[in-house]
Amino acid sequence: GEDVEQSLFLSVREGDSSVINCTYTDSSSTYLYWYKQEPGAGLQLLTYIFSNMDMKQDQRLTVLLNKKDKHLSLRIADTQTGDSAIYFCAESDTGTASKLTFGTGTRLQVTL
Amino acid sequence: EAQVTQNPRYLITVTGKKLTVTCSQNMNHEYMSWYRQDPGLGLRQIYYSMNVEVTDKGDVPEGYKVSRKEKRNFPLILESPSPNQTSLYFCASQDPPLGSPLHFGNGTRLTVT
Repeated sequence: GEDVEQSLFLSVREGDSSVINCTYTDSSSTYLYWYKQEPGAGLQLLTYIFSNMDMKQDQRLTVLLNKKDKHLSLRIADTQTGDSAIYFCAESDTGTASKLTFGTGTRLQVTL
Repeated sequence: EAQVTQNPRYLITVTGKKLTVTCSQNMNHEYMSWYRQDPGLGLRQIYYSMNVEVTDKGDVPEGYKVSRKEKRNFPLILESPSPNQTSLYFCASQDPPLGSPLHFGNGTRLTVT
């Protein structure tokens, strides 16, 4: 079956850039997502990218996709304490959530 | 306000005592699903429903039941809970088109002793 992997923890200083990485195994992945989970809350979609794109930028967020290596990254510029959360990578081969596979999540800790 | 509402937020129960976690969405979404979140495992799908009276198993359906009698509601039923079902549960809904985001509830933390 499909597998999505992430490192479990990342610590950065406030104002630095954060880079959260994700690898996936399904070569038919069509949509790749980044979700954010704040303490005590559900997951919130941050951004997503289609597999025919290499990069997508949205304000402080930059998503890079290396389809050959099946590697996805999320870069957060000028990281703030409010960015502290768990970030989940997810992939879908059809775009319907019935086939969404989540990674284990990366806990981002932002220090002063 | 568009939202997915789960109840209860916290639940402590004993092995074998049937329980239901409710989920309701007010966005008229066709698709709804249930996930469980466990440390180091991410989110795993339990069941999903593409529309009223249409449900299907996800990756970890054992020990769970669902029903979809109305579009807005998608309850999760544990007929005989066991300690390995202690987890954080999320309900989510989605409407087409392709790539549209999942809307998540705030979660239900279940402890089975």
